[in-house]
Amino acid sequence: DQQVKQNSPSLSVQEGRISILNCDYTNSMFDYFLWYKKYPAEGPTFLISISSIKDKNEDGRFTVFLNKSAKHLSLHIVPSQPGDSAVYFCAASEGAGNMLTFGGGTRLMVKP
Amino acid sequence: NAGVTQTPKFQVLKTGQSMTLQCAQDMNHNSMYWYRQDPGMGLRLIYYSASEGTTDKGEVPNGYNVSRLNKREFSLRLESAAPSQTSVYFCASSELAGISGYTFGSGTRLTVV
Repeated sequence: DQQVKQNSPSLSVQEGRISILNCDYTNSMFDYFLWYKKYPAEGPTFLISISSIKDKNEDGRFTVFLNKSAKHLSLHIVPSQPGDSAVYFCAASEGAGNMLTFGGGTRLMVKP
Repeated sequence: NAGVTQTPKFQVLKTGQSMTLQCAQDMNHNSMYWYRQDPGMGLRLIYYSASEGTTDKGEVPNGYNVSRLNKREFSLRLESAAPSQTSVYFCASSELAGISGYTFGSGTRLTVV
């Protein structure tokens, strides 16, 4: 059974608007959460992370929110830009040194 | 440039042929991984190596073998390629994955005909 799920395979937003990508998890032992961005023909690249002691982490246009009671995290991109068009993966781990479990990915398309 | 280097970038094999995908990292990471990504699907773990000298099966290990040659290098071998192994293969390495994540290579696009 998938422990990390991204239920929306794709999302389309207008340039300048907010993009919200969602991720749900079932393993209550997960305490580190990450988002990756992947362009075609490239490997995934690390975007932003959050630990379970926080409920929000910001890095420029990117903010990750964690709702532990709902076992839900989200990535907000404000404002969205055409260069943000990519596949986004969420990932989680039990402990800082353990391997990541990935979600299935969401393809974001930002229209000019 | 520091990071994870994968070779080759592209490969076409005939069914039944064998090949080895090479991966090397220069970040002194202990852990290394091999993933495959198929169209419409996420990243599926094939094998991983938590440290030099150890390897373990992931979610989809059948048809593959791995070797952790040293701390830097982690190779993936297909002994008898099948069309179902047509995929994009990514190698990754990490140290404290939950904090700083994995560093991925740029991938190997493999087609088995």
